[in-house]
Parts: sequence; C-alpha cells; structure tokens
Amino acid sequence: ETGVTQTPRHLVMGMTNKKSLKCEQHLGHNAMYWYKQSAKKPLELMFVYSLEERVENNSVPSRFSPECPNSSHLFLHLHTLQPEDSALYLCASSQGWAVSYNEQFFGPGTRLTVL
Amino acid sequence: KNQVEQSPQSLIILEGKNCTLQCNYTVSPFSNLRWYKQDTGRGPVSLTIMTFSENTKSNGRYTATLDADTKQSSLHITASQLSDSASYICVVQTGANNLFFGTGTRLTVIP
Repeated sequence: ETGVTQTPRHLVMGMTNKKSLKCEQHLGHNAMYWYKQSAKKPLELMFVYSLEERVENNSVPSRFSPECPNSSHLFLHLHTLQPEDSALYLCASSQGWAVSYNEQFFGPGTRLTVL
Repeated sequence: KNQVEQSPQSLIILEGKNCTLQCNYTVSPFSNLRWYKQDTGRGPVSLTIMTFSENTKSNGRYTATLDADTKQSSLHITASQLSDSASYICVVQTGANNLFFGTGTRLTVIP
C-alpha cells in the first residue's frame, strides 16, 4: 500500500452532475499531481501543485477544476463532463516538484464513468 | 518530438519463465528513466529509477538496463510469478522536470 489514498474508488455520473474526487497523501510531500489514464494511452498530466500553489496546467478543459487546500489534500471538482472523460484518474505526490530525481508515489485511482 | 515507445504491447508467459520488456525513447534532454508496475485497478508503483550514468539496476527479480547512447531500456523479469501479471510502464524525465510516459506492456503470467 502506498501513502496516497483516493476516494471514491469508483464513480458513475451523468453529464449534468457535479462531483469531486479526493486525494490525501500521508508522506509529508510538498507536490501533488492529477493524472488521467485512458485505455491504451499514456498517462496524461493534468495539474501539478507545489506547496499548495498550482504550477502546471496542461490545457485541461475548464470542466475539471482542481483545489489544493493544504499540502496533504488535493481535490478534482467535476462538472458537465463528457463521455470521453471516462477514465482512471490518478493522484500522485512527490517530495518536491522542480527537482531532477523526484520519485512520484501514486494512489490507487478513481475509475470514473460518465454516462 | 518527445516520445516513449514500449514493446510488446502485451505478453503472455508461463510461470517460472523469464521475459524482457523494451522501451525506446526520443526524449531530450534526458534526466532519468523509471519503470513502474501497475496492477489492475491500482496506481503505478516504482520499480527502478536510472540516471544517465547507470547501465543496470536491480530490484529483486526485476533488472532494468539503460543504453543512453541508443536511447533504449529494457526490463528483465526472472523466474516469473503469477503476481507479476500487471502493466509495466516506462517513464522518461527531462532536465526540465517533464515526464513522458509510455503506453505500457501488459504482462500476463499463466500457471
């Protein structure tokens, strides 16, 4: 088991729903990440937070809204999603962000299905 | 274009056999290369991290090699076990702290 937890593990939502994904890390890390993993595609980095400041946003649609209230918690707020947003959403954390050897520790992911 | 390509896409082997997974990359400038294991329904877990100067690194029955000249890496699994069934993802980091992920190799070990 890693020190990164995610809830819920599975989520089914309609396109008009609003939901939130939660991530918590117990490793004392300063950087947290959201990734999207779709079938047969590489992991796509969505957002990076370092010391609770967003440092990277890779052209993610505005229907995904991240929030990092403190260094241990990260949320991904979802609204008016599309069926193509169905994927495994992974949270990760690392000791630092802009360092050359920052190993990332991943949570188990939330399997999201948009109907 | 920065890319990481893995082969094969999927592989089935008998328990107890060895196998080798390949990773070719065109990422530049190179900082380090990682191999992750991802069990079904779980997040990736790091197996090895290698920098430019490291040719080989082992983690139990897993041995990763790196040829920075040809930009190739391999992950060799010895005496496979059923629990080795998973996806194995190659990840290359640039000096600018960007990570480039491969699509993974899906390994199935059968009894």
